[in-house]
Amino acid sequence: DGGITQSPKYLFRKEGQNVTLSCEQNLNHDAMYWYRQDPGQGLRLIYYSQIVNDFQKGDIAEGYSVSREKKESFPLTVTSAQKNPTAFYLCASMPGQGNTEAFFGQGTRLTVV
Amino acid sequence: SQKIEQNSEALNIQEGKTATLTCNYTNYSPAYLQWYRQDPGRGPVFLLLIRENEKEKRKERLKVTFDTTLKQSLFHITASQPADSATYLCARRNQAGTALIFGKGTTLSVSS
Repeated sequence: DGGITQSPKYLFRKEGQNVTLSCEQNLNHDAMYWYRQDPGQGLRLIYYSQIVNDFQKGDIAEGYSVSREKKESFPLTVTSAQKNPTAFYLCASMPGQGNTEAFFGQGTRLTVV
Repeated sequence: SQKIEQNSEALNIQEGKTATLTCNYTNYSPAYLQWYRQDPGRGPVFLLLIRENEKEKRKERLKVTFDTTLKQSLFHITASQPADSATYLCARRNQAGTALIFGKGTTLSVSS
């Protein structure tokens, strides 16, 4: 089955630690995205990538980093510089620009302990 | 900057009634708007896309309208059911066309 897979579903981070969230897609989509969702805030764009080895900052990139070494994979690292990392993180992919919808993973809930 | 606003955070209706959700956008008219459904703890799922030259689009019990004069899209669920209870998100492309930006969503509760 084609789809987009995020792991883990739940993640706990200690203060000062970096953690990496995984996102893999087998839809052969060019574009991939990371969003953060907080209660009452909707989805806010962190980073996106239109093509392998290239990515751009979204609206709230500070404290996060990404890589796009393969078309299928777009991991997100939440660094210790992110002061309020507790949130629900969603990865999405799209075929490219144009009139197309986004396909989302099931999300990773990150909690700082 | 482009904004997309869903003014109602929550909407409560009775089973069988029609639910109407509102999405307003600012600045330039997007080429199209999209609507998604999100259940608690899960990723959003695409429902409908409407282009700016389409006044109305339907899919089963769902209907979406696009009014470029009012800068507004309305999302209707007719004959609503408790299973329709979820958060509904409106989205548009950013000005560069490189990413989707989302409204905050409206949480619909349908009571039996």
